[in-house]
Amino acid sequence: GENVEQHPSTLSVQEGDSAVIKCTYSDSASNYFPWYKQELGKGPQLIIDIRSNVGEKKDQRIAVTLNKTAKHFSLHITETQPEDSAVYFCAASLRGGGNKLTFGTGTQLKVEL
Amino acid sequence: GAVVSQHPSWVICKSGTSVKIECRSLDFQATTMFWYRQFPKQSLMLMATSNEGSKATYEQGVEKDKFLINHASLTLSTLTVTSAHPEDSSFYICSAEAAERETQYFGPGTRLLVL
Repeated sequence: GENVEQHPSTLSVQEGDSAVIKCTYSDSASNYFPWYKQELGKGPQLIIDIRSNVGEKKDQRIAVTLNKTAKHFSLHITETQPEDSAVYFCAASLRGGGNKLTFGTGTQLKVEL
Repeated sequence: GAVVSQHPSWVICKSGTSVKIECRSLDFQATTMFWYRQFPKQSLMLMATSNEGSKATYEQGVEKDKFLINHASLTLSTLTVTSAHPEDSSFYICSAEAAERETQYFGPGTRLLVL
């Protein structure tokens, strides 16, 4: 089955700096890669996703890049703000193949003032 | 759009009792719903996948007789933890997916504490 690795496990940045979180996946058939933000005591919230037919997607301060050959994808947050502090999870799935998400282990992002 | 609710948000129960958790998609019809369990500082672990009107598919290691899932309509799925024990204490989260959206939207979670 699919295996998703995520790094780093914790990330501390200064407000205004950029943050990058990286994930690798094992199943080359996976074709959908969402990123979720989870605040303490809450459910995960979808922040951006990318499908395997594109290499990059951007939504304001958030961007995701995908390298299918290397089987890795990354989340980029620019101009970080204190409210960006949360746990971020990457995930991978095969659309049309049960659509189950396999999650990474999570990254605790802390944006310091 | 794409709002998923869960009820209750938290529950405390005695060991040996059963607890039912509801998951509703409020503004879309969910062809598939998923149930996850999350322990502190860990990732989400998929427990089962349920499609409306059919039996749930459980992940390896998840006891189907202990975690009963019912997906009676396109907007409601329930998870019943039967004969709960302290080791069942966890954060249970559901997600819902509509065919046309191809994206899972998560509920706010239910924190279960079994004494």
